[in-house]
Amino acid sequence: DQQVKQNSPSLSVQEGRISILNCDYTNSMFDYFLWYKKYPAEGPTFLISISSIKDKNEDGRFTVFLNKSAKHLSLHIVPSQPGDSAVYFCAASAGRGGGYQKVTFGTGTKLQVIP
Amino acid sequence: EAGVAQSPRYKIIEKRQSVAFWCNPISGHATLYWYQQILGQGPKLLIQFQNNGVVDDSQLPKDRFSAERLKGVDSTLKIQPAKLEDSAVYLCASSPRGNYGYTFGSGTRLTVV
Repeated sequence: DQQVKQNSPSLSVQEGRISILNCDYTNSMFDYFLWYKKYPAEGPTFLISISSIKDKNEDGRFTVFLNKSAKHLSLHIVPSQPGDSAVYFCAASAGRGGGYQKVTFGTGTKLQVIP
Repeated sequence: EAGVAQSPRYKIIEKRQSVAFWCNPISGHATLYWYQQILGQGPKLLIQFQNNGVVDDSQLPKDRFSAERLKGVDSTLKIQPAKLEDSAVYLCASSPRGNYGYTFGSGTRLTVV
């Protein structure tokens, strides 16, 4: 049961243009959403997050949008740079009691920014 | 701040052999996670420790996988015996309790032949 889905395995974008990475989820108990970026031979690194009580969070060139009614979130990168080429994982978190959270990852989208 | 250290980086073993991975989290991080990432899939949580206690091991195949975190610092993950489908990257991550922004190590790429 894939609760977090990234339906686009890959995306190519020209340098300077906008990159939009999409993510859908099915579990309405998720209350926090995160994006991670992964370069080859490295572990994922935290990029940006958003709480379920918000619909937008911005950090420099990166903006995450959350549409709770549609159970959809997206990551916008503007402007895209060649160094942004990586695999991007969407992740969602739900509490499981005792103050602990369980994070579920999507399958990832490989972004290629073409110079 | 030193990152999450993992070793070895790569390991090739034959099926039915045993293997162990080691992780040293960021100093002061109480929570430690082991994830399995199979090629083309997202990371899947195997086990989560809070200090040296297990918070969640519901997805750990306990007939062959074991993990421990003695003294609430370093952790080891063991597979015995290994199967072909265990070929994956094993990621260790740590976080201060309540912080969602995990810090991952570089992972151990396991190939079972």
